[in-house]
Formats: sequence, C-alpha cells, structure tokens
Amino acid sequence: NAGVTQTPKFRVLKTGQSMTLLCAQDMNHEYMYWYRQDPGMGLRLIHYSVGEGTTAKGEVPDGYNVSRLKKQNFLLGLESAAPSQTSVYFCASSDGRGRRRNSPLHFGNGTRLTVT
Amino acid sequence: AQTVTQSQPEMSVQEAETVTLSCTYDTSESDYYLFWYKQPPSRQMILVIRQEAYKQQNATENRFSVNFQKAAKSFSLKISDSQLGDAAMYFCAYSGGTSYGKLTFGQGTILTVHP
Repeated sequence: NAGVTQTPKFRVLKTGQSMTLLCAQDMNHEYMYWYRQDPGMGLRLIHYSVGEGTTAKGEVPDGYNVSRLKKQNFLLGLESAAPSQTSVYFCASSDGRGRRRNSPLHFGNGTRLTVT
Repeated sequence: AQTVTQSQPEMSVQEAETVTLSCTYDTSESDYYLFWYKQPPSRQMILVIRQEAYKQQNATENRFSVNFQKAAKSFSLKISDSQLGDAAMYFCAYSGGTSYGKLTFGQGTILTVHP
C-alpha cells in the first residue's frame, strides 16, 4: 500500500519551461490537494479537488493549473515556470466521505522544484 | 479567512525534558479541527495529534499532548520526555468543518533536541 506517491522528487527548470507534477493515491480518497512550502510561510494551498472531474482554487493558484481526470490521480501543471515558483510541492489526499470529511490528510514526500 | 500563527520560529530542549510549542488561530467558525504535523529532515509530513473543537478534553498521543483553549483560540503542543528523534519542524494547522478538509498552516517551529 503506497499511500500518496509524487513524481518526480526533484526537478530543475529554466524560466518559461513547462512541466507537470504527478500525484497518485491508492486509498480511494475523494479529496486531493496541492500545497507549496516556502521558508517562513508554512504550506499554502494551490488547488484542490473534492472528487473526480472537479477542481477548485486555493490560496495561491496563479501560474498553476490542475486536472483530476481519474479519482486516483491529481496533476499539477506549470505552463510557463517563473523563479517565484521555486518551492517544495506537496500533494495530499483525504477520505472526505460522510463523517470522515475532515479526516487527516495523507501527504506525499514532496517535489523540490528549482526554476532558474 | 482563517489564520494560524506560530510565534516561535525556533525552540530547543534537552533530551528527556519537556517543551511546549505555541499556536494561535483566528476563526469565526464553531465547527473545526486542529492538527499538529511533524516534518523531519526527510521532508515527510507526519500527523502528530488532532483535536476536534467540540471536544473539551485535550487530545493526547503517548508523549504528545495539547492544551486547547477554545475561548483564547490557542492550541499548544507539549512534548514530554523529549527524544532526539523529535527534532523536526512542527506545523500547527486548522481545518474548518465545511472546508473539505483543506488545511491552513502556521509558519512552523523548528525544534532542536540537545543530547
């Protein structure tokens, strides 16, 4: 049982390049999230999804797009990377069903992205 | 909007001693959840403890306990008998009852444990 798996673990991009971060969970969770972590700012929510085919904006959505075509996968895209997007990105999932709608989040191990 | 504040960027403790990490939050909701997460150098996010706002009893998990003061909107974490493996970044987090599990995090506190 892998839990939440993020790929890649590390990536270096040049300004203007694009890339997609992949997140997969095998726990049949309804909710999935993308966060970014920056020094002194904790984790901030980029986008989230409450079910297959749905997405919504979080606190810092600008410059990112997401898709959830399958329940187990949540993709984060950067269309034109900027140095301000240098960060550690975390994917997370939670059960979300019925009385477990505020069950704890399960996190992936993060992706360190550097934009030069 | 909800905010979470951790006013201690860094804390240190001697092995076997007790340390308390502070967290305050601001919300107008009555139904919510509070969490402490641990992030060791491996970068993994590990749930330490969870408190439901409607429960008056403070949550405990082995050496970890919280002091939940709802009126003061305070949620501190006490680590007893500190161990070297407790050294990590600790994040306080808030989730509203109707927020689809979304977490609002504090800035984090780096805990150093001295042998």
